Amino acid sequence: GQQVMQIPQYQHVQEGEDFTTYCNSSTTLSNIQWYKQRPGGHPVFLIQLVKSGEVKKQKRLTFQFGEAKKNSSLHITATQTTDVGTYFCAEPSNTGKLIFGQGTTLQVKP
Amino acid sequence: GAVVSQHPSRVICKSGTSVKIECRSLDFQATTMFWYRQFPKQSLMLMATSNEGSKATYEQGVEKDKFLINHASLTLSTLTVTSAHPEDSSFYICSAEYRQGGYEQYFGPGTRLTVT
Repeated sequence: GQQVMQIPQYQHVQEGEDFTTYCNSSTTLSNIQWYKQRPGGHPVFLIQLVKSGEVKKQKRLTFQFGEAKKNSSLHITATQTTDVGTYFCAEPSNTGKLIFGQGTTLQVKP
Repeated sequence: GAVVSQHPSRVICKSGTSVKIECRSLDFQATTMFWYRQFPKQSLMLMATSNEGSKATYEQGVEKDKFLINHASLTLSTLTVTSAHPEDSSFYICSAEYRQGGYEQYFGPGTRLTVT
């Protein structure tokens, strides 16, 4: 069945350092979505990647979709304390179901 | 963006009682809504897909008689946890697709259920 593996599970960085989380799928993905969940909050949609090799940027966040559409990454440049939270990749099906990765929890030390 | 509300935000109930959680899409219609549960420091686990006007589709391992889902209108889905037990204590989150077909989902703020 569908399975999305996400690493690392936790990441502690010093403010200003970069951060990357990776997602790998056992199957070719039609598209992949990324969500952020702040502590105590709910997931908030960040972006959707559809095309092979696609790269999208949102300020300090860079999202990539692999050429084979089996992996994706989220990179944050120069982390800030506001970046704290858990970042999930999610694989949507054509029925709308989202299969979430395990999430990467980011802690930023000021 | 689209807004999804959830009520209540927190509930404490006694073991053996039932609890109803409401999920509403406030400014759009949602033919399909989804219910997830999330344990501390874990990912979201899809419980069921709520379909307006028809039966919900449950994920493997989720008891349909225990987690009753009703999607009575295009803006409201309810999840009732029947005969709740302490192991049902969790964070329950609903979501709705703003547009159908694998597009982004908008999540409710979640309901923290504690069963004593």
